[in-house]
Amino acid sequence: NAGVMQNPRHLVRRRGQEARLRCSPMKGHSHVYWYRQLPEEGLKFMVYLQKENIIDESGMPKERFSAEFPKEGPSILRIQQVVRGDSAAYFCASSPNDNSPLHFGNGTRLTVT
Amino acid sequence: GNSVTQMEGPVTLSEEAFLTINCTYTATGYPSLFWYVQYPGEGLQLLLKATKADDKGSNKGFEATYRKETTSFHLEKGSVQVSDSAVYFCALSDNNAGNMLTFGGGTRLMVKP
Repeated sequence: NAGVMQNPRHLVRRRGQEARLRCSPMKGHSHVYWYRQLPEEGLKFMVYLQKENIIDESGMPKERFSAEFPKEGPSILRIQQVVRGDSAAYFCASSPNDNSPLHFGNGTRLTVT
Repeated sequence: GNSVTQMEGPVTLSEEAFLTINCTYTATGYPSLFWYVQYPGEGLQLLLKATKADDKGSNKGFEATYRKETTSFHLEKGSVQVSDSAVYFCALSDNNAGNMLTFGGGTRLMVKP
């Protein structure tokens, strides 16, 4: 049973470009969470999604960031017009329901130059 | 709101030394408490958890006791190994499942042979 798969592992973007981060949850998991880890800091919650629904986006920046989890395919975290401050590790986690612990992926490390 | 405070690292120990990583929290209600470990280049793995006061979580020789009176959840291990070198995160959740987590800033542990 494959774990949570995130790709790419490393992503380099120039300022102003778009970044798309993908997360395939574990098989049978319909709940997806995105967290951001800034350098030398802990993880900060961004957004919680179930299939085709955003449940909680209280941690998402108001502009340039969006997330989706379509009926088919992976969850996507999209960052438009990236800035240097977006450089961070972005972790996805999944669970089968809201009463189970999270399983984390290995993260996508975004570098904005 | 909820918050978690951990001792700053890095913590450098010799093999077989005793480990303590302090963690205190602020929360409304009665949160569940967790320790996660992050090995280099990987995602977070759940190390142990405790869901109510005076519970002790344990795994792989690590222990932590939920102390409501001191709002603490300190991580301990009697004899560390080089393979324990990693970043350790204390976290809390308003529910037992731990799927909406508030993390501390992380503590890097380096164990030398």
